[in-house]
Amino acid sequence: SQQGEEDPQALSIQEGENATMNCSYKTSINNLQWYRQNSGRGLVHLILIRSNEREKHSGRLRVTLDTSKKSSSLLITASRAADTASYFCATVPYSGAGSYQLTFGKGTKLSVIP
Amino acid sequence: EAEVAQSPRYKITEKSQAVAFWCDPISGHATLYWYRQILGQGPELLVQFQDESVVDDSQLPKDRFSAERLKGVDSTLKIQPAELGDSAMYLCASSSARTSGGAYEQYFGPGTRLTVT
Repeated sequence: SQQGEEDPQALSIQEGENATMNCSYKTSINNLQWYRQNSGRGLVHLILIRSNEREKHSGRLRVTLDTSKKSSSLLITASRAADTASYFCATVPYSGAGSYQLTFGKGTKLSVIP
Repeated sequence: EAEVAQSPRYKITEKSQAVAFWCDPISGHATLYWYRQILGQGPELLVQFQDESVVDDSQLPKDRFSAERLKGVDSTLKIQPAELGDSAMYLCASSSARTSGGAYEQYFGPGTRLTVT
């Protein structure tokens, strides 16, 4: 079953613009991760944010986490055509059985137009 | 840079036939995962191994799917017999997670695209 729900399902922007994707989830988490998937390929890990963190940066990526609202956002600044891909959020449960298991959302399909 | 290897990359099979996928995780990674990804959806976990032991196979359709990781290194996922609804991408991932607590990323292979006709 899907834990996270990304919003929007699809996003089309011009190169150089910023792209923001949102993720909502249902249960308490240990951490939340964002992955990128180019068409027909495997997933690539982008960034991990722990439940006690509120914001994290990695290059042009900025991730925020609001555990009170059970939501996260991924911001890609100064987008490039190479950023065209599907982006998934994935949650790891707080503890116990299922630890280290990722539960993925349905993803946001980002198209960056040159 | 170390990568997760999967083969074959593409597989076309007729329904009721048997099919097998192979995965070689990153060296030293104790935990191995098999996921199924239907087009337009996120990956869904089928089975999780730690070393050679199954940690969770609650989402694996055991009447037709089986998975093994005999020596705690590479792994095989088998479907017998294949059904039309099994058409999907099958992804393998590994991580260094072993002890409780902590936070670990997963490294994914390129996947096997299965088409059942």
